Amino acid sequence: DTEVTQTPKHLVMGMTNKKSLKCEQHMGHRAMYWYKQKAKKPPELMFVYSYEKLSINESVPSRFSPECPNSSLLNLHLHALQPEDSALYLCASSQPRLLRGEQFFGPGTRLTVL
Amino acid sequence: TQLLEQSPQFLSIQEGENLTVYCNSSSVFSSLQWYRQEPGEGPVLLVTVVTGGEVKKLKRLTFQFGDARKDSSLHITAAQPGDTGLYLCAPKTDSWGKLQFGAGTQVVVTP
Repeated sequence: DTEVTQTPKHLVMGMTNKKSLKCEQHMGHRAMYWYKQKAKKPPELMFVYSYEKLSINESVPSRFSPECPNSSLLNLHLHALQPEDSALYLCASSQPRLLRGEQFFGPGTRLTVL
Repeated sequence: TQLLEQSPQFLSIQEGENLTVYCNSSSVFSSLQWYRQEPGEGPVLLVTVVTGGEVKKLKRLTFQFGDARKDSSLHITAAQPGDTGLYLCAPKTDSWGKLQFGAGTQVVVTP
């Protein structure tokens, strides 16, 4: 199984809502990532979990809260978002600290904040 | 963050033509990945290059890693409409596997 799955595919939320994005992989990877991607731009790294511990937080606002319950799952909890947070949110996984560092991406969640 | 330049930003060609996308930096990279992304989908890994001077072929796609491991190119021969997409180069920038993405090249192949 070389697939990273993400749910939901699309999400529309108001600025006062609380929602969560979910990501799952069964490749035995021990590093998982959240990226944000705006239209016609490359993905921007938000968070990295390595061995279920947060290892990188790219100065992301606290209205985004990541969680890694186990080695296969990664969540992104959303609260009090702004319209400018509307974007494609991508999850990826890899084996950490390997020379090749290949990351495998999920299909993304298209988030719209009203 | 090292300076990473990907060019061109946009390419529109006819089916059957060839194209080349470039990814350049002043930094040396241990490895570099190329991805293709279609609208509304996640990037799909095409290839990883590791060794300076390495050339890899994937059907009509040829990837090169520069001898000094500071640059890479992607060449598509006889492009087809299915090659349309956003091509991203992404060198590995630290021991944890953090990637730095190029700005991307939007390729449009028309029949």
